[in-house]
Amino acid sequence: AQKITQTQPGMFVQEKEAVTLDCTYDTSDPSYGLFWYKQPSSGEMIFLIYQGSYDQQNATEGRYSLNFQKARKSANLVISASQLGDSAMYFCAMREDNYGQNFVFGPGTRLSVLP
Amino acid sequence: DSGVTQTPKHLITATGQRVTLRCSPRSGDLSVYWYQQSLDQGLQFLIQYYNGEERAKGNILERFSAQQFPDLHSELNLSSLELGDSALYFCASSFRTGSSYEQYFGPGTRLTVT
Repeated sequence: AQKITQTQPGMFVQEKEAVTLDCTYDTSDPSYGLFWYKQPSSGEMIFLIYQGSYDQQNATEGRYSLNFQKARKSANLVISASQLGDSAMYFCAMREDNYGQNFVFGPGTRLSVLP
Repeated sequence: DSGVTQTPKHLITATGQRVTLRCSPRSGDLSVYWYQQSLDQGLQFLIQYYNGEERAKGNILERFSAQQFPDLHSELNLSSLELGDSALYFCASSFRTGSSYEQYFGPGTRLTVT
């Protein structure tokens, strides 16, 4: 079974607008971490933001915020004020502390920011 | 720049050959992970080392092996190469193992098997 689901293979957003990239996950481990990574066309993987399963507040890092809804098992990435440089693949990932021990990545969402 | 270095950046080799990919983790990071990224399989976890010891294994083929040395750098050995092994191979590192430690990725080694 897929542990990480990203239902949007591709998305478009106008420059300066906000965009939400969806991620749902599946785990029965009470302790886990959720991560978002960005992969521009140059190929490198860039860490964006982290949310722990016990964190009470949604994580924020600059223009990135994570909309964490634990009961729904969703961890959507919100990018505010989109920039042309945000055009990239975005991967949601999860690591379980007890059951998995490994990072599992979703299939990714390709975001294109339009001028 | 994540602080993780990988060499070589590109590698072109023939089927049946053997190659070694090298990774140096960020200073202070004890854990090293290897991933394979191909168009049809996405990003697949291969193997993890922590402070020299194998910690976890993912979808790593028997033709592939890895090790982490006392200075914490790691090597991924790929042998009897097949066309399907063509992919981008990433190394990542984290301070420790555990869900709260994010991984920092190297720039990757692009392997082309002809």
